[in-house]
Amino acid sequence: NAGVTQTPKFQVLKTGQSMTLQCAQDMNHEYMSWYRQDPGMGLRLIHYSVGAGITDQGEVPNGYNVSRSTTEDFPLRLLSAAPSQTSVYFCASSLTASYGYTFGSGTRLTVV
Amino acid sequence: DQQVKQNSPSLSVQEGRISILNCDYTNSMFDYFLWYKKYPAEGPTFLISISSIKDKNEDGRFTVFLNKSAKHLSLHIVPSQPGDSAVYFCAASPSLNKLVFGAGTILRVKS
Repeated sequence: NAGVTQTPKFQVLKTGQSMTLQCAQDMNHEYMSWYRQDPGMGLRLIHYSVGAGITDQGEVPNGYNVSRSTTEDFPLRLLSAAPSQTSVYFCASSLTASYGYTFGSGTRLTVV
Repeated sequence: DQQVKQNSPSLSVQEGRISILNCDYTNSMFDYFLWYKKYPAEGPTFLISISSIKDKNEDGRFTVFLNKSAKHLSLHIVPSQPGDSAVYFCAASPSLNKLVFGAGTILRVKS
């Protein structure tokens, strides 16, 4: 089992560019989430999904878009990158939160 | 407004001794609490959890204590090992879909 796979691992964007962070899991988990980690702030929820076709906003959704067309994939789209979106992004999946989310290894994004 | 607070940014402990990591929360609707461990350049890994109907949960060297009246939980690691050196995140779940994380505590276990 690969678990949760995130690509790319590193990315540098110019302000205003768009891109998609990919996330795939092979555990047949219904719940998937995107978090960003910033120094001194822990991990903050961007968007989450409870199953294919169902998504909802988390704590910091502005500037990001998601869709969930399959159980396995949950891509995160940056519509127009801003320096404030410089962060480490983690994708996670779970049967339920009580089982503990499985996290990917992260994407380090720098917006210049 | 941080709903989950880890007030100690770092903790240093001697190998073999007990490590105690603390976490406070403000939202009484949280019904599940989790601890995650994170090494540099890796994603967080699930360590241990506790339901709000319990006050203690053990898993090997790791024990989590929950004091609902004080809105406080703690993670005890006994005995501490150098491999335990990592960032520890406390997280709380207001629903099955979401986790709210604290800012993390860096644990250093000295050999």
